[in-house]
Amino acid sequence: NAGVTQTPKFQVLKTGQSMTLQCAQDMNHEYMSWYRQDPGMGLRLIHYSVGAGITDQGEVPNGYNVSRSTTEDFPLRLLSAAPSQTSVYFCASRGLAATDNEQFFGPGTRLTVL
Amino acid sequence: QQPVQSPQAVILREGEDAVINCSSSKALYSVHWYRQKHGEAPVFLMILLKGGEQKGHDKISASFNEKKQQSSLYLTASQLSYSGTYFCGTENFPKTGANNLFFGTGTRLTVIP
Repeated sequence: NAGVTQTPKFQVLKTGQSMTLQCAQDMNHEYMSWYRQDPGMGLRLIHYSVGAGITDQGEVPNGYNVSRSTTEDFPLRLLSAAPSQTSVYFCASRGLAATDNEQFFGPGTRLTVL
Repeated sequence: QQPVQSPQAVILREGEDAVINCSSSKALYSVHWYRQKHGEAPVFLMILLKGGEQKGHDKISASFNEKKQQSSLYLTASQLSYSGTYFCGTENFPKTGANNLFFGTGTRLTVIP
């Protein structure tokens, strides 16, 4: 099992450019989420999904879009990048059963917006 | 809904002990603890559930005080491998489906020889 994979690992954008951060998991987890990590701010939830076709906003959704067409994939889109979106982005997945306690994180994408 | 962690950072010598605290202004159902090494993804350590027992993992253990809405992570006889940033993640109600985890700002632990 590859677990949770993310691409790319690093990305530099100019202000106003758009891009998609890819996330995939092979554990058949219904729940997937995106976090951003900034110094001193911890991990903040951007968007999440409880299954294909179902997404919802987290704590800091502005400037980001998501979609979930399959159980495996959960891409995060930046429509018009801003310097404030410079951060490390983590995708995570977790099963929905009450005993599915562990949330698995991907390796992260380090994004710099100039 | 973000829990508060303290201290923000701590430096230990090998063999020393440390306590990391996590508190919430809202009633908690569970507290999750994760460790993140520099440049890597957070990794799950343990979960404490409301009404559950104190957990342990080698020389790392944790407690959960439901009334005070807080949890503490205890690292005893610290090793160099314990270095990293520790995060607590909280859930406010039982997991009946999709529960979002809200993470604290982290505690950076450095263990020196």
